Amino acid sequence: RKEVEQDPGPFNVPEGATVAFNCTYSNSASQSFFWYRQDCRKEPKLLMSVYSSGNEDGRFTAQLNRASQYISLLIRDSKLSDSATYLCVVGNDYKLSFGAGTTVTVRA
Amino acid sequence: DADVTQTPRNRITKTGKRIMLECSQTKGHDRMYWYRQDPGLGLRLIYYSFDVKDINKGEISDGYSVSRQAQAKFSLSLESAIPNQTALYFCATSDGSSNQPQHFGDGTRLSIL
Repeated sequence: RKEVEQDPGPFNVPEGATVAFNCTYSNSASQSFFWYRQDCRKEPKLLMSVYSSGNEDGRFTAQLNRASQYISLLIRDSKLSDSATYLCVVGNDYKLSFGAGTTVTVRA
Repeated sequence: DADVTQTPRNRITKTGKRIMLECSQTKGHDRMYWYRQDPGLGLRLIYYSFDVKDINKGEISDGYSVSRQAQAKFSLSLESAIPNQTALYFCATSDGSSNQPQHFGDGTRLSIL
């Protein structure tokens, strides 16, 4: 079983729409949670950390459910520039486990 | 200027050749990592280093070696490249605290013919 599993998508949404997707993780001892964004096989860039209480950064909202071991990301008012692959990342000290990514395409 | 710089950005070489990928950082981070990324798979850890005298194998270290020449420099070598080492390689850094995010270089696209 993969440590982090994501729906690969693609999620194809119109501009202005809301899109949400989840990932699940297998290690209940995981301590840190992140969403990264990756464009066209460029380097992954940190989008946001995810906290147990849930957190928001502009149009992006992340939630963590430790009991069910899943993390979610919601993007409101989608922009064309949000088109990317979103990587779910789960960590324990130095070790990060990466999902294969969820592809989001926002169309005009 | 990028905080984490990888060279070369692209490399095409032949089976059996020795290749070195280099990574340097200006973030002042102690921890450095090498990953590879293959289509449909998450990034997989090859090697990591917590300081100049510390080198550790990751989940897929076979066929690779590393050298931490200085706090800011961490190089990855393929002693005798084989085609299934064709991949996108990333160097990353993080500070010494636990559970910190990692910051990635631009990547090296490596093709082994």
